[in-house]
Amino acid sequence: DQQVKQNSPSLSVQEGRISILNCDYTNSMFDYFLWYKKYPAEGPTFLISISSIKDKNEDGRFTVFLNKSAKHLSLHIVPSQPGDSAVYFCAAILNAGNMLTFGGGTRLMVKP
Amino acid sequence: ETGVTQSPTHLIKTRGQQVTLRCSSQSGHNTVSWYQQALGQGPQFIFQYYREEENGRGNFPPRFSGLQFPNYSSELNVNALELDDSALYLCASSLGGTQRDIQYFGAGTRLSVL
Repeated sequence: DQQVKQNSPSLSVQEGRISILNCDYTNSMFDYFLWYKKYPAEGPTFLISISSIKDKNEDGRFTVFLNKSAKHLSLHIVPSQPGDSAVYFCAAILNAGNMLTFGGGTRLMVKP
Repeated sequence: ETGVTQSPTHLIKTRGQQVTLRCSSQSGHNTVSWYQQALGQGPQFIFQYYREEENGRGNFPPRFSGLQFPNYSSELNVNALELDDSALYLCASSLGGTQRDIQYFGAGTRLSVL
């Protein structure tokens, strides 16, 4: 049973436009969410996180939005750059838990 | 570069064999986590070690075991290998003992079980 889902396996965006990556979760006890980015032949790297007490967190070109009632979060990248082309994973942690649960990933391709 | 190194990078084993994967943490980090990433899927948490003690475990059988050494490097051992164990194994180091901390991943060990 996948508790964290990324329903779009891939996304293609033109350079300079907005990229929106989506993530849905089923367990309402998740209270902390993270996004990691992975390039081929490298390990994932941390991008941005958000606690369930917030609904938005921003870091430069990256913004994560959390909609607790819909159990949905999204990562916005504005403007998108070719170097953003990678696989993006969302991940969640249960309240009082110590286990990161990852989604299946979305491959973002930013075309020049 | 994260400063987390894993060895070997690739490994081929046969069913029933045992394997040991190694991870060297980023300097100053006292926590290491291991993940299994099957093809086309996200990483799955195996376990975490904090200051040489296991302090979190995912849904993996006991034939997956680990160690963390006083210098905070770590090993993942898998006994009685099965075909489904074929995957990329990632380790990540962090400071703080929880999965909420930013984790720094190595590039992984690709294990193939034939």
